[in-house]
Amino acid sequence: QVQLVQSGSELKKPGASVKVSCKASGYTFTSYAMNWVRQAPGQGLEWMGWINTNTGNPTYAQGFTGRFVFSLDTSVSTAYLQISSLKAEDTAVYYCATDILTGYLDYWGQGTLVTVSS
Amino acid sequence: NFMLTQPHSVSESPGKTVTISCTRSSGSIASNYVQWYQQRPGSSPTTVIYEDNQRPSGVPDRFSGSIDSSSNSASLTISGLKTEDEADYYCQSYDSSNRWVFGGGTKLTVL
Repeated sequence: QVQLVQSGSELKKPGASVKVSCKASGYTFTSYAMNWVRQAPGQGLEWMGWINTNTGNPTYAQGFTGRFVFSLDTSVSTAYLQISSLKAEDTAVYYCATDILTGYLDYWGQGTLVTVSS
Repeated sequence: NFMLTQPHSVSESPGKTVTISCTRSSGSIASNYVQWYQQRPGSSPTTVIYEDNQRPSGVPDRFSGSIDSSSNSASLTISGLKTEDEADYYCQSYDSSNRWVFGGGTKLTVL
């Protein structure tokens, strides 16, 4: 069965970096895009962008350029989200999600809580 | 870029029908498909409607979606409400450059 398993919670200080992983299984990783979605505490969903898992080409939504980087390691069917120069407002749950069934966000990871605090 | 506006909250009794709206700020609602996601507390979202009115396998037919070009909005209707339907619901669409947008979410209370 399709699974997206994300790395565990992170506690980081302002200015540090974090790398969240999303390991896929149960389907051909390079056949479907991987999206990233942010959810700040008590807030709604924000689409951060997506990465073409075949070419590695990323597309970033407005507000997620510069400090946010999507990457892949296709040898282990894993997508990554790296955030640099962390700020308190980056505190959120970050989800990966793929579009296998409908072309939209069918399968989601369990989410990774990133907390930025001094 | 456009915005999708949803009511912050709605409430209804078990067995009743509720409709959640999602209004697009610019561009035609009919020009790009609308999806709806359900998020229960502490869980990841799941798709309940895609491409305006299609239900993924496993989603009960109590869930239905529609669009209304006159109000430039989409709607999610849940009939025969059950307590398990209590959740946050998000609409989502995209623009011609394939930039995706979520609505702000609607908290459904079934009381």
